[in-house]
Amino acid sequence: NAGVTQTPKFRILKIGQSMTLQCTQDMNHNYMYWYRQDPGMGLKLIYYSVGAGITDKGEVPNGYNVSRSTTEDFPLRLELAAPSQTSVYFCASSGNYEQYFGPGTRLTVT
Amino acid sequence: AQSVSQHNHHVILSEAASLELGCNYSYGGTVNLFWYVQYPGQHLQLLLKYFSGDPLVKGIKGFEAEFIKSKFSFNLRKPSVQWSDTAEYFCAVTPGTGRRALTFGSGTRLQVQP
Repeated sequence: NAGVTQTPKFRILKIGQSMTLQCTQDMNHNYMYWYRQDPGMGLKLIYYSVGAGITDKGEVPNGYNVSRSTTEDFPLRLELAAPSQTSVYFCASSGNYEQYFGPGTRLTVT
Repeated sequence: AQSVSQHNHHVILSEAASLELGCNYSYGGTVNLFWYVQYPGQHLQLLLKYFSGDPLVKGIKGFEAEFIKSKFSFNLRKPSVQWSDTAEYFCAVTPGTGRRALTFGSGTRLQVQP
């Protein structure tokens, strides 16, 4: 039982490049979330999903897209990377209200 | 929309000192409350949670928190900290029903000196 896994762990992007952050959970949770963590700012919700095929915006969705084709996977897509997207990205899942977090992806955009 | 305030941004304690970290939230309805901990280089782990019932909740590693509804507070306490408690601590809230995404406070960095 791996819980929530994320890949890659680290990535450096150039401005304007695109990439997908992968997130997979093996707990059969319906709810999945993407957060970003900036220093001194806590975690902010980017997107969330209440089940396969259903996604919705969080507090800071601009510049990101998501999809949820299966219960297990919830990838986050950055289409045109900008320096403001330099952050640590955490994926989480929950069955009820308790969320389980992945190890994070540290992304730098230069 | 709900919000969470953590007033202590950086706390430095000596081992065996007592700890209390403040957390206040703003939301008019019922809430679920959480404290998460992030050890250096690791992901967030749940310390404790409050959904309903006894307002004094106990979590892992000797931590506890008290929900005071009249003060909209959910302060985290530990009687005697250890060096291994050095970490960042986040308070978070969700509404009691409906939306389940967490709203986080900005975090408190705890440094315990041996």
